[in-house]
Amino acid sequence: DTEVTQTPKHLVMGMTNKKSLKCEQHMGHRAMYWYKQKAKKPPELMFVYSYEKLSINESVPSRFSPECPNSSLLNLHLHALQPEDSALYLCASSHRSVGGVNQPQHFGDGTRLSIL
Amino acid sequence: GIQVEQSPPDLILQEGANSTLRCNFSDSVNNLQWFHQNPWGQLINLFYIPSGTKQNGRLSATTVATERYSLLYISSSQTTDSGVYFCAVVAYTGANSKLTFGKGITLSVRP
Repeated sequence: DTEVTQTPKHLVMGMTNKKSLKCEQHMGHRAMYWYKQKAKKPPELMFVYSYEKLSINESVPSRFSPECPNSSLLNLHLHALQPEDSALYLCASSHRSVGGVNQPQHFGDGTRLSIL
Repeated sequence: GIQVEQSPPDLILQEGANSTLRCNFSDSVNNLQWFHQNPWGQLINLFYIPSGTKQNGRLSATTVATERYSLLYISSSQTTDSGVYFCAVVAYTGANSKLTFGKGITLSVRP
């Protein structure tokens, strides 16, 4: 699913750093998602944006701050992360549900984050 | 919340063999997707199949929504099929689009 582009592909940061992950799609999708995946585990939902508004926050710590500046772009701002936050961060997008039927989600290749 | 169980957890095949991967879910769904995660971490969309049967080359999938299970068939397996296969669903009763993933099936295809 390379229609969702995530940058950077890899990121190493210290616990006091501030960095951002970026996700971009040009499929006209109005729902965008952040997932976190630890090694040998399935992806877990963090946030959902619908029409550029935050609709779901799965009780994610405030050191993760999402932002959706426009319909094509989704950011995840990182600050004061802990070593246990090291993981693969996946972005996804989809059309909004139609007639109550949820549409397929398309995933980017992820950002592999390491916290020193 | 909805539970998703995949079986078997691990599968080892000789190249050229066929296999069936199973996904059971505990509630009605209006989205079911099969993904393949390759060794580089890329999560590749295989099928969007909340009900019915679809085929794509050597892969096919069937979801029987009334009995709450889905099957992924891999025929004539190749070493590039190795990786983790995830089933993920959105509960019909959910007011959002939260995909809940199963734990995955790790497939190793040996030459």
